[in-house]
Amino acid sequence: NAGVMQNPRHLVRRRGQEARLRCSPMKGHSHVYWYRQLPEEGLKFMVYLQKENIIDESGMPKERFSAEFPKEGPSILRIQQVVRGDSAAYFCASSPQLSGDDGYTFGSGTRLTVV
Amino acid sequence: KQEVTQIPAALSVPEGENLVLNCSFTDSAIYNLQWFRQDPGKGLTSLLLIQSSQREQTSGRLNASLDKSSGRSTLYIAASQPGDSATYLCAVGKAAGNKLTFGGGTRVLVKP
Repeated sequence: NAGVMQNPRHLVRRRGQEARLRCSPMKGHSHVYWYRQLPEEGLKFMVYLQKENIIDESGMPKERFSAEFPKEGPSILRIQQVVRGDSAAYFCASSPQLSGDDGYTFGSGTRLTVV
Repeated sequence: KQEVTQIPAALSVPEGENLVLNCSFTDSAIYNLQWFRQDPGKGLTSLLLIQSSQREQTSGRLNASLDKSSGRSTLYIAASQPGDSATYLCAVGKAAGNKLTFGGGTRVLVKP
């Protein structure tokens, strides 16, 4: 079991470009969560998805950010027209269907730097 | 709205001393509480998961207690080692499959 896989590990984008972050959950996990960790700050929830459904996006900025978890393939967090303030570590977590009994497993994160 | 606080924010101890890390939360209606370790520039490693019906969990030198009524959890690390140096995060979940609310973390340094 390869765990939660995130790629790329590091991503550098110029202001105004798009950033695409990928997350493949653990085998057998159908719930995916995205969190953001700004420099010197704690992790903040962004969005919770199940296959083809956004369950809770209460932590997502209203503009430029979107997320999807298609029927096939990884979950994608997309940031359009990036700005310096988007520089952060983005973590993905997954959990089994309808249960938090095993807790959440996190990926190693994608560190986005906007220059 | 759930708020999670970790005190102290930083802690430095000599090797061999026991570590006590505190986590408090404002809404006692939690489903579970999870302790994580984060090394600089790395991801999160799950240490212990406590369900709301449990009082404590143990793994090796780690022991975590949960007092839901008072909104507190404590992580104990016995006989600390330099390799224990990291940031420790606690997070609470409100329901099964629900999002986690994280504390700000305690940055631990164990000096040889």
